[in-house]
Amino acid sequence: GQSLEQPSEVTAVEGAIVQINCTYQTSGFYGLSWYQQHDGGAPTFLSYNALDGLEETGRFSSFLSRSDSYGYLLLQELQMKDSASYFCAGPNGATNKLIFGTGTLLAVQP
Amino acid sequence: ETGVTQTPRHLVMGMTNKKSLKCEQHLGHNAMYWYKQSAKKPLELMFVYSLEERVENNSVPSRFSPECPNSSHLFLHLHTLQPEDSALYLCASSRSGGTTNEKLFFGSGTQLSVL
Repeated sequence: GQSLEQPSEVTAVEGAIVQINCTYQTSGFYGLSWYQQHDGGAPTFLSYNALDGLEETGRFSSFLSRSDSYGYLLLQELQMKDSASYFCAGPNGATNKLIFGTGTLLAVQP
Repeated sequence: ETGVTQTPRHLVMGMTNKKSLKCEQHLGHNAMYWYKQSAKKPLELMFVYSLEERVENNSVPSRFSPECPNSSHLFLHLHTLQPEDSALYLCASSRSGGTTNEKLFFGSGTQLSVL
């Protein structure tokens, strides 16, 4: 079947670096997206990796290795406002529509 | 503000009620989506509309009935729901719906409780 797996929870302190992993099993894979969702809010797009390697956008970076069916989101200089759920998403090879990972709840502590 | 507005934000309904969820996007997009978000589960795609035509129905029970009167509005009509249908229902839009590298723009959702 098609699935994307993430750790359910991660805890880190302000100013630290945290990595949220995503492993996937999909057919016809060709890109990984990341979304952020604050409690009670709308998921918002963070990044997209079409090719292997690292994409950097400010404090956030995303990495993809298609040979390992693996990607991660790296958050640097953590701030309290980064406390949220983070979802990876990839294409369902059968329907060509996005399917989402299980989500990781990040708690940033002072 | 994502440009996608959902109403109501919260809804409590009995199993025999009929209600509708509304979604409006102000982004000029051509594709709109309904997702279901349950606790500790991935977002589940329910329906996709592209240019007002339903292009996907992801094996959703008939007690959920979508309607897309134009490219800016999307409804989800609910009737005779079950308690397990309690969840956050998210609407999203994208430019065309043709490729999975498109950004999805989500609304804040309707938190539905079925009693």
